[in-house]
Amino acid sequence: GAGVSQSPSNKVTEKGKDVELRCDPISGHTALYWYRQSLGQGLEFLIYFQGNSAPDKSGLPSDRFSAERTGGSVSTLTIQRTQQEDSAVYLCASSLRFQGYVNTEAFFGQGTRLTVV
Amino acid sequence: QQQVKQSPQSLIVQKGGISIINCAYENTAFDYFPWYQQFPGKGPALLIAIRPDVSEKKEGRFTISFNKSAKQFSLHIMDSQPGDSATYFCAAKPPSAGGTSYGKLTFGQGTILTVHP
Repeated sequence: GAGVSQSPSNKVTEKGKDVELRCDPISGHTALYWYRQSLGQGLEFLIYFQGNSAPDKSGLPSDRFSAERTGGSVSTLTIQRTQQEDSAVYLCASSLRFQGYVNTEAFFGQGTRLTVV
Repeated sequence: QQQVKQSPQSLIVQKGGISIINCAYENTAFDYFPWYQQFPGKGPALLIAIRPDVSEKKEGRFTISFNKSAKQFSLHIMDSQPGDSATYFCAAKPPSAGGTSYGKLTFGQGTILTVHP
């Protein structure tokens, strides 16, 4: 596809259930990022994948959150034992590898709106 | 030290007027300052960005003013139009080894801009 694709667009789940959110980055983009956007708040960095390097997990809020990226392309963000405070829009972005001083803009998907009831 | 503070939270401007959104940061190591525009139901999209070695950057009706000594930067939208009504986020990027993490950003809280016709 032409842009970053996320699925599902909306997800309602019961407290305590596990959820998986999917991200298809732009073809050829080696970097992939997950962010969380809570209502009325800015974007909160969660995790970053770059090629085959170990992911930067410094933004994950708890061990209930995990993510993987298979084959350097599709990524899945998993939230275990969901809590009501996990309700937010989860955004995925991808970018090319930085080269010199050429800006490698991060392109965002439309997000998955997660509601935990 | 990683925070980026954005103001105002909301802004109402008449068509043709100037919209000004301000951001302040604390981490002097930040080396890239983008502004993102987000429409309802969409992911953020890069609007304009600046590096700290430049005091101003202009692209069309959009200008970033950067004051390194004050650790502040602002977005000016000239001749504001109803189509500019959106949420605007400032952001900052910490330096990273290899310079590959242009999507790992610290975001401000966002400004909801409404331009009345």
